[in-house]
Amino acid sequence: GDSVTQMEGPVTLSEEAFLTINCTYTATGYPSLFWYVQYPGEGLQLLLKATKADDKGSNKGFEATYRKETTSFHLEKGSVQVSDSAVYFCALRLSGSEKLVFGKGTKLTVNP
Amino acid sequence: GAGVSQSPSNKVTEKGKDVELRCDPISGHTALYWYRQSLGQGLEFLIYFQGNSAPDKSGLPSDRFSAERTGGSVSTLTIQRTQQEDSAVYLCASSQGAKDTQYFGPGTRLTVL
Repeated sequence: GDSVTQMEGPVTLSEEAFLTINCTYTATGYPSLFWYVQYPGEGLQLLLKATKADDKGSNKGFEATYRKETTSFHLEKGSVQVSDSAVYFCALRLSGSEKLVFGKGTKLTVNP
Repeated sequence: GAGVSQSPSNKVTEKGKDVELRCDPISGHTALYWYRQSLGQGLEFLIYFQGNSAPDKSGLPSDRFSAERTGGSVSTLTIQRTQQEDSAVYLCASSQGAKDTQYFGPGTRLTVL
């Protein structure tokens, strides 16, 4: 079935470190791909998305590139801040569906 | 503008009781979704509404779960005869159209004792 696998956390980094959170997917057809973020005490928010192969989504210094050949959508940020501490979810939506399929989430803690 | 709101924010109930969870989507959003977030299963899709119709109910885990949407706006998720495994955070999301960005509410934390 369709699924998303993301690296297990928790991930702990120091401020200004480089961040990568790996995400790979299994899906029929060509899904749209998303990263959602859940800050402490807040609801899920869309961070970025990409709808076709080789698209790059970006927002707030975060980037992810849709790689069809490796079925991946890894999240990166060059220099993390304490305020980036949150749980990050990778998700897909199949072209014929409206529902999102989520990974298990990766908790990121950034220390000053 | 106002986002998606859900009520109650927390609900504690006893096993076997029925519960109703409410979702108020963003005004004008025609699509509405329910998801469940639990420690063991992560984030799971439950049901999708387009207007008042539910073309995809594939995620409802059992016939104890039902949902309705009235007036193309408010939705209620009902769980009958609650079980301990129903304990989770129930999230509602809405989008302007079916393929548009989904905006999530803060969730209802359900605890079944």
